[in-house]
This record gives sequence, structure tokens and C-alpha cells, in this order.
Amino acid sequence: QVQLVQSGAEVKKPGASVKVSCKASGYSFTNYAIHWVRQAPGQRLEWMGWINTGNGDTKYSQRFQGRVTITRDTSASTAYMELSSLRSEDTAIYYCTREHRIRLDPWGQGTLVTVSS
Amino acid sequence: QSALTQPASVSGSPGQSITISCTGTSSDVGGYTYVSWYQQHPGKAPKLIIYDVSDRPSGVSNRFSGSKSGNTASLTISGLQAEDEADYYCNSYTSSTTLVFGGGTKLTVV
Repeated sequence: QVQLVQSGAEVKKPGASVKVSCKASGYSFTNYAIHWVRQAPGQRLEWMGWINTGNGDTKYSQRFQGRVTITRDTSASTAYMELSSLRSEDTAIYYCTREHRIRLDPWGQGTLVTVSS
Repeated sequence: QSALTQPASVSGSPGQSITISCTGTSSDVGGYTYVSWYQQHPGKAPKLIIYDVSDRPSGVSNRFSGSKSGNTASLTISGLQAEDEADYYCNSYTSSTTLVFGGGTKLTVV
């Protein structure tokens, strides 16, 4: 079945970077885009950006422009999201999700990133 | 890009119907048929329940329906059940070729 499995929880210090992975299985990886969405504790879903897994093109939310980088490794059917210059407000669950015609389905299980000194 | 506007909370009794609104602009909700809705239970990842304004993925109950008028999309849940208690988020494609989510609505089945 189609599945997205994300890497485990991370604890980072302010100013550091974090890289979260998202391994896809059960479908042809390069046929669907991957989006990243985050959710701070008790807060709403927030769209961060997406990658065309076929050609590597990316688009980011202006809110994260300059701090987020989304990449992919087609040989490993894996997408990555790296967020730099972390601050406490970046503490959140980060989700990857597969997109087809603007439908986001399925979603990964989420990765908790905690930013704390 | 500002979040789409949703009511913070709605409630209903088992068997009743409720509607959640999602208001944007002509640059997102009003300009495209790419409006989707997601259900999120506590501690779980979101689940797609409506796409392209009013279509349901296979396996999603027909008690869930969607519609749109102008810059406002709506999600209606009929025959409320206890298991429907969750957070609901709308999402739209935008003219900037990005996506935007709503603020989320907490549904309580009383």
C-alpha cells in the first residue's frame, strides 16, 4: 500500500538546522509531488513547500523562504526537508504528504522537532 | 499568504447536521476548484475527506459533502456521529502556485 515513513523525533538548539526524511513506498516516487506541512503544538496546519520529485523543482511558502530547503533522492524514493536557523517557535510536528492534483494523500506519521536550549 | 478563515469551533448532537465554512479570496478559494478538506483526530496525521470542492475519496462516508460559493467553501457533515469529533481544516491552491490552510475548526459532538 502507499506509505510515507518519516524519520524520528529530533531535539535541536536554537540556531541549529534539522533535516527530516520521508521515505515513500507502494507507488512510483517520481510520479507525485511531495509537500511539507507543519503543526506547532495546539496550532493550525501550516504549508511549508513542495518538490516536484521528477525534476527537483521546488516552491516554498514566503514565510519560510531562505530557511527551508526541500530535496529528494530518487534512488532512495526519499524526500527531505531541512530547516535552518531554528528558533523556539519552530517546535512543531513536521509532516510530509503526497500530492496528486492538489489532493494531499496520504500523510506521513509526522516528526516532532523540539527546539530548546 | 494569510490563512483561510474558519470558525474556531462548532458543535452538534448525534444525528444532526453541521456546516463548517472556509472563507478566502478570489486569489485562492474563489479562483480555483482546488479546495480540499482534512479531518484530524488528536495525535493523528490529517486525513483527506473532500477534494476538488465536493469530491470524496473512496472509503470516505457519504455523510461528508463539500460545496463552494464565491470565495467561501463549506463542509457539511450529516448524521453526526461521535467519531466525527475532530479538527477540520480546509485547504486551497493559490494564484502564487502555493497552498494555504484554514485556521482549523474543532467539532464537538455533544
